[in-house]
Amino acid sequence: EVQLVESGGSLVQPGGSLRLSCAASGFTFSSYAMSWVRQAPGKGLAWVSAISGSGATTYYADSVKGRFTISRDNSKNTLYLQMNNLRAEDTAVYYCAKDLGSGAWSFFDYWGQGTLVTVSS
Amino acid sequence: QSALTQPRSVSGSPGQSVTISCTGSSSDVGGYNYVSWYQQHPGKAPKLMIYDVSKRPSGVPDRFSGSKSDNTASLTISGLQAEDEADYYCCSYAGNYARVVFGGGTKLTVL
Repeated sequence: EVQLVESGGSLVQPGGSLRLSCAASGFTFSSYAMSWVRQAPGKGLAWVSAISGSGATTYYADSVKGRFTISRDNSKNTLYLQMNNLRAEDTAVYYCAKDLGSGAWSFFDYWGQGTLVTVSS
Repeated sequence: QSALTQPRSVSGSPGQSVTISCTGSSSDVGGYNYVSWYQQHPGKAPKLMIYDVSKRPSGVPDRFSGSKSDNTASLTISGLQAEDEADYYCCSYAGNYARVVFGGGTKLTVL
């Protein structure tokens, strides 16, 4: 059974940093691209970042480029999101999501339960 | 990376059919056959319902179908059931720069 379990969300002050983790199990982690998708309170879904199975290729939404870094440790079956210089508008539930295996990395067939990041003073 | 345009809400009675539209541009929906749809119940993670415009993952009822014409994708739910009441999001690949864009979401109410 595929499982994705996020952790690391908390309350942080504007300008602060946070690292999210997503522990994966039930599939060959290194074979699949992974993404982070966020959802601000009461709002819709927004794609944040993606990483290839090997970790060699990464992509970011404009809104987080230069502030967030996605990475993965395939030996630990874990996905990360390092978030620096956090802003109030980064407040959201952050989901990690597994790609179905498409060439576009845009079909998310499994999602974690989400972890809440709140940026506030 | 502009969001795709969806109606804010749609509704239908049990047994009826509803269609949710998702309008983008030639840079996303119209340019690629990488459209997907997600169902999200309150407080839950999204669930993949349609991918590759019209394919259903294993376990998704065939009451759910997808299509695309030019820059607009559509999700049709036939034989509405109470458990279909949820938020629905479309999603499209948008090229190497923008990568992935979501629609703003549509709240489906089963009357």
